[in-house]
Amino acid sequence: EVHLLESGGTLVQPGGSLRLSCAASGFTFTSYAMNWVRQAPGKGLEWVSSISGNSGRSNYADSVKGRFTISRDNSKNTLYLQMNNLRPEDTAVYFCARDGYYFASWGQGTLVTVSS
Amino acid sequence: EIVMTQSPATLSVSPGDGATLSCRASQTVSSNLAWYQQKPGQAPRLLIYGASTRATGIPARFSGSGSGTEFTLTISSLQSEDFALYYCQQYNNWPLLTFGGGTKVEIK
Repeated sequence: EVHLLESGGTLVQPGGSLRLSCAASGFTFTSYAMNWVRQAPGKGLEWVSSISGNSGRSNYADSVKGRFTISRDNSKNTLYLQMNNLRPEDTAVYFCARDGYYFASWGQGTLVTVSS
Repeated sequence: EIVMTQSPATLSVSPGDGATLSCRASQTVSSNLAWYQQKPGQAPRLLIYGASTRATGIPARFSGSGSGTEFTLTISSLQSEDFALYYCQQYNNWPLLTFGGGTKVEIK
């Protein structure tokens, strides 16, 4: 059974940094692209970033480009999202999701709150 | 960026009745469209991909149709567990994936 478990969400001040993690199990991690999708409180879903199975290609939404960095450690079956220069509008639940085009497997999410 | 617009924002339906949800793309996405269901406090659940293919374990009362810019999710007879938020998502413009704003299906 596919299992994705996010962690690292917390309260952070504007301009601060945070790294989220997503521990994966139940499948061959290196065989799948991975993504981060976020959902602001009471709002819809927003794709944030994706990374290929071998880390050769990463992509970002314009709203986070230059501030966020996606990475993965295939030896640890773990996906990361390094978030720098955080803004209040980055406040959201951040989900990791498996696959490249549409997402059959999701984690339960981790809440990031950007506020002073 | 391809903008996905869902309508209506809220749909009030009686249990046992059918429901039709719409999703429109600002430019063609071919059949590269997925539908998700989300309940409060939970992650989204994939229902449909390829505009009309049900994901593993999804009941037959959920069906998707459409291509190009106009898509529909139909729930044939709503069960209590179907009252939720529904989102469409295009992946034709990969890697720039976009979601619709959602339709809330509530009990009438």
